[in-house]
Amino acid sequence: DADVTQTPRNRITKTGKRIMLECSQTKGHDRMYWYRQDPGLGLQLIYYSFDVKDINKGEISDGYSVSRQAQAKFSLSLESAIPNQTALYFCATSDDVGGTQYFGPGTRLTVL
Amino acid sequence: AQSVTQPDIHITVSEGASLELRCNYSYGATPYLFWYVQSPGQGLQLLLKYFSGDTLVQGIKGFEAEFKRSQSSFNLRKPSVHWSDAAEYFCAVGAGSSNTGKLIFGQGTTLQVKP
Repeated sequence: DADVTQTPRNRITKTGKRIMLECSQTKGHDRMYWYRQDPGLGLQLIYYSFDVKDINKGEISDGYSVSRQAQAKFSLSLESAIPNQTALYFCATSDDVGGTQYFGPGTRLTVL
Repeated sequence: AQSVTQPDIHITVSEGASLELRCNYSYGATPYLFWYVQSPGQGLQLLLKYFSGDTLVQGIKGFEAEFKRSQSSFNLRKPSVHWSDAAEYFCAVGAGSSNTGKLIFGQGTTLQVKP
C-alpha cells in the first residue's frame, strides 16, 4: 500500500463550488504539506503543518484553507473554486531529519 | 530569499547518451539539496539528496549529482540514459540547518529520450 494517499485522484467542478482534497499517510511523519503544480512553475507551497496544532501559510495560500484532523490526515479546501485554481495538487510528508519529502500521487483538479 | 533555477525547460537526448541537468540555487547558508523525478501521471520520487560531506552524491536509477558551493550548483548526471528516464526532473533546496522542512522547487526540466 502507498505511504501517502490522496483522494480523489481526479475532480471536475464548477466555479463557486466548495471542494475538499484529502491526504492520508502511514509514514508516521509529523510534517505535512500541500503544493500545487502548474506547467512551467514547478511546485508552489500552499500550506504546511508541523503537527496537529501547528498550521502555516505557504507562498500561495489565498483562496485555500486546510485542516489537520490527525497526525495522519491533512485536508485542503477550496471554499469557492475559481478556474485559475485548475492545477495538479500534491500532498507530501516529511520526517524531522533533513526535510526529505515524500509525495502522494496527486489530485488533478479542473474548475470550469 | 531562497530560490532555485533550472535553466533548461526541455532537453532531448538519445538513448545511451550521457545526461546533465543543471540546477542553480540561492541560499545564504549551507543548503539541503534534492533532485526529484516525476513520471507522467505520477507523484514525485526522490532521486538523491545532499546534506553535507562528500560533494558527489549517488542516487537511485544510476543518477548522481555534484554539489559545487563556488558555483551554487547541484547538477544531475547520468552516464547512459534509458528510454524509461523520460520524465520531468525537479531540483529543490531546503532550509539547511534551520530544518524547517520547507522546500523551494525549481521550474522543472522535461527530459525526452530519442530511440
